[in-house]
Amino acid sequence: EDKVVQSPLSLVVHEGDTVTLNCSYEVTNFRSLLWYKQEKKAPTFLFMLTSSGIEKKSGRLSSILDKKELFSILNITATQTGDSAVYLCAVEVWRALTFGSGTRLQVQP
Amino acid sequence: NAGVTQTPKFQVLKTGQSMTLQCAQDMNHEYMSWYRQDPGMGLRLIHYSVGAGITDQGEVPNGYNVSRSTTEDFPLRLLSAAPSQTSVYFCASSSWRGGAEETQYFGPGTRLLVL
Repeated sequence: EDKVVQSPLSLVVHEGDTVTLNCSYEVTNFRSLLWYKQEKKAPTFLFMLTSSGIEKKSGRLSSILDKKELFSILNITATQTGDSAVYLCAVEVWRALTFGSGTRLQVQP
Repeated sequence: NAGVTQTPKFQVLKTGQSMTLQCAQDMNHEYMSWYRQDPGMGLRLIHYSVGAGITDQGEVPNGYNVSRSTTEDFPLRLLSAAPSQTSVYFCASSSWRGGAEETQYFGPGTRLLVL
């Protein structure tokens, strides 16, 4: 059975802190790993990772994949209150996504 | 482009009732899927479709039917609603041609309460 595990389940930080969110997976026929941000609505896409060791960056967010150790991390630097959300990791097996349960991030002023 | 649209936004059903959740996309995407999200959990795949006339089951298909008669529409039918189907339902679509980096676009969700 395909499995995606995220840690920590929740996190409270102060503005300006740097956070690292973790995602490990056990799936067959891995194609890609995706990160989403979910506020009180539909998930919005952040990154898609297919190759090990290549960092994807978007502003203060970055992510990297390790296909040998089967994990990915999402880094957020200089956090802002607008970063407060649930961050979802998903692994694409053939044409379907298996999601982790998410990490709830709360950034306090 | 409207993207992925879902109707209704919110629905209350009684146990045993049936209903159809609508999903449409105007991006000419081949791949469409339905997920449910329960409190404190990630999204779980119910059914998906790789093109008109082709559907397949996901992780939690029991109690749901789908059909894909057109590229644009992918309705989800609850045959006989049960309280365990109380959830938020998301429809998603993508072009997803193998090897290319393409995202799944999610609809705004339908919140379903089964009494």
